[in-house]
Amino acid sequence: GNSVTQMEGPVTLSEEAFLTINCTYTATGYPSLFWYVQYPGEGLQLLLKATKADDKGSNKGFEATYRKETTSFHLEKGSVQVSDSAVYFCALRDRTGTASKLTFGTGTRLQVTL
Amino acid sequence: DVKVTQSSRYLVKRTGEKVFLECVQDMDHENMFWYRQDPGLGLRLIYFSYDVKMKEKGDIPEGYSVSREKKERFSLILESASTNQTSMYLCASSTRGIPNYGYTFGSGTRLTVV
Repeated sequence: GNSVTQMEGPVTLSEEAFLTINCTYTATGYPSLFWYVQYPGEGLQLLLKATKADDKGSNKGFEATYRKETTSFHLEKGSVQVSDSAVYFCALRDRTGTASKLTFGTGTRLQVTL
Repeated sequence: DVKVTQSSRYLVKRTGEKVFLECVQDMDHENMFWYRQDPGLGLRLIYFSYDVKMKEKGDIPEGYSVSREKKERFSLILESASTNQTSMYLCASSTRGIPNYGYTFGSGTRLTVV
């Protein structure tokens, strides 16, 4: 079956530091890949996505590249801000089945300090 | 923008009560989902629906049921609430059969069973 593995958190960084959150996946076929963000007390918001190999998704300074050869979709940001403190979820959506379900990783909490 | 609205942000219920969690979406999406989110476990799919009156079990359906009488509304029912159902519940919706799109989530309902 499909699965997504994320690095354990929390990740604690100082403001303006470089961020990487690792994500690898196992899937049959060619899934679409997503990063979601959850701010405290809120639901999940789509941060970025990539739908085929070598695609790069980007939004709000975050980027992730769909690497089929390494089955990875690592999230990066060059300079984090305190407002980026949140939980980040990597997910994949396969192309089979009636509802084409999302499979999520367990989430990585990011804490950014001044 | 698609909006997914969950009727309550916070609920406190007693053990043994029948609990209804309501979710409404306004973009004519075919698919709707209920997840629960617990620390260290990420998001786990309870039930989903790909059409009116259609439902399928997710990964952890025990102790829950669902109802989808109208396309825009998807209800989660706890038949007899127990303390181990204390959790954050997230509803989501999506278009059918287009894996390039992710889900749109509601803000969540934090349920406490005492």
